[in-house]
Amino acid sequence: QSALTQPPSASGSPGQSVTISCTGTSRDIGAYNYVSWYQQHPGKAPRLIISEVTKRPSGVPDRFSGSKSDSTASLTVSGLQAEDEADYYCSSFGGNDPYLVFGGGTKLTVL
Amino acid sequence: QLLESGGGWVQPGGSLRLSCAASGFAFSTSAMSWVRQAPGKGLEWVSAISDNSYYRFYADSVKGRFTISRDNFRDTMYLQMNSLRVDDTAIYYCAKGGMALGYSYDSWGEGTLVTVSP
Repeated sequence: QSALTQPPSASGSPGQSVTISCTGTSRDIGAYNYVSWYQQHPGKAPRLIISEVTKRPSGVPDRFSGSKSDSTASLTVSGLQAEDEADYYCSSFGGNDPYLVFGGGTKLTVL
Repeated sequence: QLLESGGGWVQPGGSLRLSCAASGFAFSTSAMSWVRQAPGKGLEWVSAISDNSYYRFYADSVKGRFTISRDNFRDTMYLQMNSLRVDDTAIYYCAKGGMALGYSYDSWGEGTLVTVSP
């Protein structure tokens, strides 16, 4: 059960936009529109910020957006703010075997 | 709200049972999962259970050693962990979600730390 592939780090200055990629296979991201993104600050539990590729839960700023092309999903954070500095994880449904797979995580630094 | 308990230190080969007490939502109609995070590492999905316990799924890394269960009368989910190994050391989170939420998790507990060492 291989993890999805994310870049280990990303960065941007306040106000800029940054995009984090998440690459899977034809058996997970490429097969289903069930990609989620989570934000995790140090010492805290993860927080859902995107579900089903593009849906933002209530309370999540519209600066966060998701997309997908073939077997690669992306999270874009626009208008970067200091509080966006965190670890970001993607996940995808894997068709029950595996049920779910996470990416390795990307540490976002706001310069 | 989700509140995990039952973590602690155990020797390799030992067992632990984690609990996740739920409140504030309809637990009996919610799919649930366990997700773990080794120190300084990323998230790893461990196991999932459907609302009625009919479906249960496990990561290859824990299959045959861990058992997920739930008690809808007590609004509590469990993870029985046997034959523990050093690489099972992690914070274990319970999370609410499943097919109805597009296989995403919209509520997480604060986690309980499991340490496996001699």
